[in-house]
Amino acid sequence: EPEVTQTPSHQVTQMGQEVILRCVPISNHLYFYWYRQILGQKVEFLVSFYNNEISEKSEIFDDQFSVERPDGSNFTLKIRSTKLEDSAMYFCATAGGPYEQYFGPGTRLTVT
Amino acid sequence: EDQVTQSPEALRLQEGESSSLNCSYTVSGLRGLFWYRQDPGKGPEFLFTLYSAGEEKEKERLKATLTKKESFLHITAPKPEDSATYLCAVQGSTDSWGKLQFGAGTQVVVTP
Repeated sequence: EPEVTQTPSHQVTQMGQEVILRCVPISNHLYFYWYRQILGQKVEFLVSFYNNEISEKSEIFDDQFSVERPDGSNFTLKIRSTKLEDSAMYFCATAGGPYEQYFGPGTRLTVT
Repeated sequence: EDQVTQSPEALRLQEGESSSLNCSYTVSGLRGLFWYRQDPGKGPEFLFTLYSAGEEKEKERLKATLTKKESFLHITAPKPEDSATYLCAVQGSTDSWGKLQFGAGTQVVVTP
């Protein structure tokens, strides 16, 4: 069964450093999303991406965040200058249409 | 503002003891209501989508139902492997690109 994959599974970084989280979507899916989940809290929407551009973004997704699909397969989330409060699980999700979304296993980001 | 509230927060069941989880929602025009299962440290796993009041979906020991204000996830004769956090999410008509808004989840523990 096709699945979404994410790398790395765990990333530790120092405050102020840049990180790139990577996702390989399910083949032929066209809608891509990033969500995050701070420990013990709800899953929160960050951004949706369709047709090589951002479709919608949340208030959390400020100028330090960016997304791209650099090679037509990977889908990446970049955080330019990490803060302590960016520590969370980051989930990539993909969908064949704007309905059921299939989530990856997540990247645990720890900012020290 | 759209809201999703799940109850109870936690549920402890004996193996074989059926129960129901509740998801109440307030959304501007429901496009879809989604149920996911999340194991510790993992990404949400898609279970069901419900689109309109009166709709029901079943998968093994799980059955999801939908009314105009809430959804129920019924677990019939649960087994220990059904232990997980069950998440409810909604997509409203203003969320045109598939953004999901999640509830906090119900943590289910099934003991042998």
